[in-house]
Amino acid sequence: GAVVSQHPSRVICKSGTSVKIECRSLDFQATTMFWYRQFPKQSLMLMATSNEGSKATYEQGVEKDKFLINHASLTLSTLTVTSAHPEDSSFYICSASSPGAGNTEAFFGQGTRLTVV
Amino acid sequence: GQNIDQPTEMTATEGAIVQINCTYQTSGFNGLFWYQQHAGEAPTFLSYNVLDGLEEKGRFSSFLSRSKGYSYLLLKELQMKDSASYLCAVWGNDYKLSFGAGTTVTVRA
Repeated sequence: GAVVSQHPSRVICKSGTSVKIECRSLDFQATTMFWYRQFPKQSLMLMATSNEGSKATYEQGVEKDKFLINHASLTLSTLTVTSAHPEDSSFYICSASSPGAGNTEAFFGQGTRLTVV
Repeated sequence: GQNIDQPTEMTATEGAIVQINCTYQTSGFNGLFWYQQHAGEAPTFLSYNVLDGLEEKGRFSSFLSRSKGYSYLLLKELQMKDSASYLCAVWGNDYKLSFGAGTTVTVRA
């Protein structure tokens, strides 16, 4: 199956700093990538939809100025958590798909465990 | 809005069968997925249903009834490694995946 690579898998940062998470589709072109956040023992919550070459679409309640998303190419999307605070500590997961190309599966990255201290 | 319900926890014995139900009310429907997620890891794909009926894949089967907004995941011949969280997710409009809260399955010897 298709592979989505997410990096880093774990990151610890100080409060107030910024963290960038990368999501790459390794063997297919992903026109759309999704960013999710998962708190302990909770389900995945969609944060935003990232479309190549256009602005990301954010879900209600997600601050676009805090969670910067860039989808500069068909194989790379980045999520930058700016001025991170302890409450931003969570598991962040990206997924990639190419709807309309006969692809009936959303492929997930390995996830990034962010801890803000 | 999206509303996807599944039980919080289930426990079963090794070698047994467990059925995880999922009901959904969503805006748009382009298919229903089941994912397995071990603690601290990303979800892994198990099945995809877009038409009514049963899809069988080894020890795992998934069923869909679109008219009832209902699906189930059937796990047969349970193994200890099947202990995980199982996520029901609906592909709605704009191909956004909406997830249920997940069902934690514990397999006991």
